[in-house]
Amino acid sequence: GAGVSQSPSNKVTEKGKDVELRCDPISGHTALYWYRQRLGQGLEFLIYFQGNSAPDKSGLPSDRFSAERTGESVSTLTIQRTQQEDSAVYLCASGPGGAGREQFFGPGTRLTVL
Amino acid sequence: ILNVEQSPQSLHVQEGDSTNFTCSFPSSNFYALHWYRWETAKSPEALFVMTLNGDEKKKGRISATLNTKEGYSYLYIKGSQPEDSATYLCAFNPGNTGKLIFGQGTTLQVKP
Repeated sequence: GAGVSQSPSNKVTEKGKDVELRCDPISGHTALYWYRQRLGQGLEFLIYFQGNSAPDKSGLPSDRFSAERTGESVSTLTIQRTQQEDSAVYLCASGPGGAGREQFFGPGTRLTVL
Repeated sequence: ILNVEQSPQSLHVQEGDSTNFTCSFPSSNFYALHWYRWETAKSPEALFVMTLNGDEKKKGRISATLNTKEGYSYLYIKGSQPEDSATYLCAFNPGNTGKLIFGQGTTLQVKP
């Protein structure tokens, strides 16, 4: 079956512009997670959704970052007024939810802020 | 601060060598430990999820052990092959939440 998909695969933007990153989870997965990996660092948790609500937004680095999920399906991560330190690979994962359950990752969006 | 430490950071071995990596994590409020393999230009792929102290899991030539009391896990690869070249990520669930806290990974290169 179809895996997790993300779009775009690559995004180059200028500092100060807004960007939207999209994630299509595996059908039927109730949980959806966003992570990012900046150069030379590990994967960093950003936010997760259970259904359409986000019980844990603790990893969002600033109020320039927001995310939403609709229809217990697609999620969009929006970064406003991008900064160079936002450059990273943004990964989305989906799963059945809960601790100790496998997460299925998408291919990521590589964001470069010039 | 919830920190996951992995060592070594990188490793170069010859085909046929056996190798192992270490992951250490906070032992308090532990729920589960995950190992993922991340090959270049692909998505991270789950290898193991372990929850119980003393758990051992095996998939082909790869196995993992878990010690929740002292907060560490080992990943072993027996008879490494070039296709094992990847970054191996360790992560844990801090409590009963799906959120994962990842280490920085161990990058393995297997030379033919």
